[in-house]
Amino acid sequence: QKEVEQDPGPLSVPEGAIVSLNCTYSNSAFQYFMWYRQYSRKGPELLMYTYSSGNKEDGRFTAQVDKSSKYISLFIRDSQPSDSATYLCAMRRSGGYQKVTFGIGTKLQVIP
Amino acid sequence: DTGVSQDPRHKITKRGQNVTFRCDPISEHNRLYWYRQTLGQGPEFLTYFQNEAQLEKSRLLSDRFSAERPKGSFSTLEIQRTEQGDSAMYLCASSRGYEQYFGPGTRLTVT
Repeated sequence: QKEVEQDPGPLSVPEGAIVSLNCTYSNSAFQYFMWYRQYSRKGPELLMYTYSSGNKEDGRFTAQVDKSSKYISLFIRDSQPSDSATYLCAMRRSGGYQKVTFGIGTKLQVIP
Repeated sequence: DTGVSQDPRHKITKRGQNVTFRCDPISEHNRLYWYRQTLGQGPEFLTYFQNEAQLEKSRLLSDRFSAERPKGSFSTLEIQRTEQGDSAMYLCASSRGYEQYFGPGTRLTVT
């Protein structure tokens, strides 16, 4: 079993839709949770960063972490064609460890 | 801030050859990371430097792989005796705090 599970999709939605992306994980030591966006043939770009449980909002993006269920989500409101990319969840332990464990990525297509 | 740069962007090599990749982090970033990403997968952590010290290494980093960051600035990743299974995108990232900034990657193809 992988430490981080993520549905690879693809996920197709119409422009303006609310997109919900999620990941589950098995390692209870994970304390920092991130979402990255990766366009084709580019490096990942950090979208959201949260520590422990709770919600964080940044513009059209909302990240949620539920540590009791080992479940994290990313919501994208008013999705745009430019949001079409692969979205990677990622997480790491506390205590000075720098290794980040990524999910497989969900490919999203927003159709105009 | 010119971003993380990697060179070359694409490398094609024959099995058994040695290859070396270079990463130039964002200036003043003391942390540097190497990841490997294969098609349809997320990046996999390989190693981490704080300044010139290599502090974490993944079990993925076999004896054929070696990474250096001699002066705490740029870093090199060398793969000796390449195998077809080494074909992947090799990503470098740097950070000063928690946010890791990724470079565009070096795509390695082993024929």
